[in-house]
Amino acid sequence: NAGVTQTPKFRVLKTGQSMTLLCAQDMNHEYMYWYRQDPGMGLRLIHYSVGEGTTAKGEVPDGYNVSRLKKQNFLLGLESAAPSQTSVYFCASSFTAGTGGLGYTFGSGTRLTVV
Amino acid sequence: AQTVTQSQPEMSVQEAETVTLSCTYDTSENNYYLFWYKQPPSRQMILVIRQEAYKQQNATENRFSVNFQKAAKSFSLKISDSQLGDTAMYFCAFMKLGGSEKLVFGKGTKLTVNP
Repeated sequence: NAGVTQTPKFRVLKTGQSMTLLCAQDMNHEYMYWYRQDPGMGLRLIHYSVGEGTTAKGEVPDGYNVSRLKKQNFLLGLESAAPSQTSVYFCASSFTAGTGGLGYTFGSGTRLTVV
Repeated sequence: AQTVTQSQPEMSVQEAETVTLSCTYDTSENNYYLFWYKQPPSRQMILVIRQEAYKQQNATENRFSVNFQKAAKSFSLKISDSQLGDTAMYFCAFMKLGGSEKLVFGKGTKLTVNP
């Protein structure tokens, strides 16, 4: 099925553990994004990428790292998880600049709990 | 930096009635897009409607329409003939024209449609 696939869908981590969230898209999109959703806060941009090999910080980048080694994949890493990183994480992708959000596609989210 | 404000954390409406969700935004940009996204309990982000700021005509999609007031920086969503399936979180979002197509979201309005 075409779209954005996030792995895993659920995860529980202990404080201090590390993990990587994988986002894969098969639509040949140039742009990819990681957002986090917290109750009462909406979605906030963590990091994004405008092409293979590029990454940039979003609104709330602290405590996260990302990599875009392949065009179709965008990885979000937590080096030392903290309870404040308990959230639902959404990956999204988009064709390129100038499409005005048309074709913007979200994954189904990853619920991460840090205890 | 752009900000998006949704002043109604929760709303409810009776089935078949009409409801309006409010959204205001702040930006110094002249060219941008505005969106309403729906997030049902499944957590999937679904695009409801999109408005191009340079178009004066308000966007409509079946039972969904917007009232876009550019000078007032207001972008409300009207849902007509509300259905039980409209029960969801609704997010207003802003995207600057060009650049990296990042979305800036409001905090959301939880809409409940009652039978």
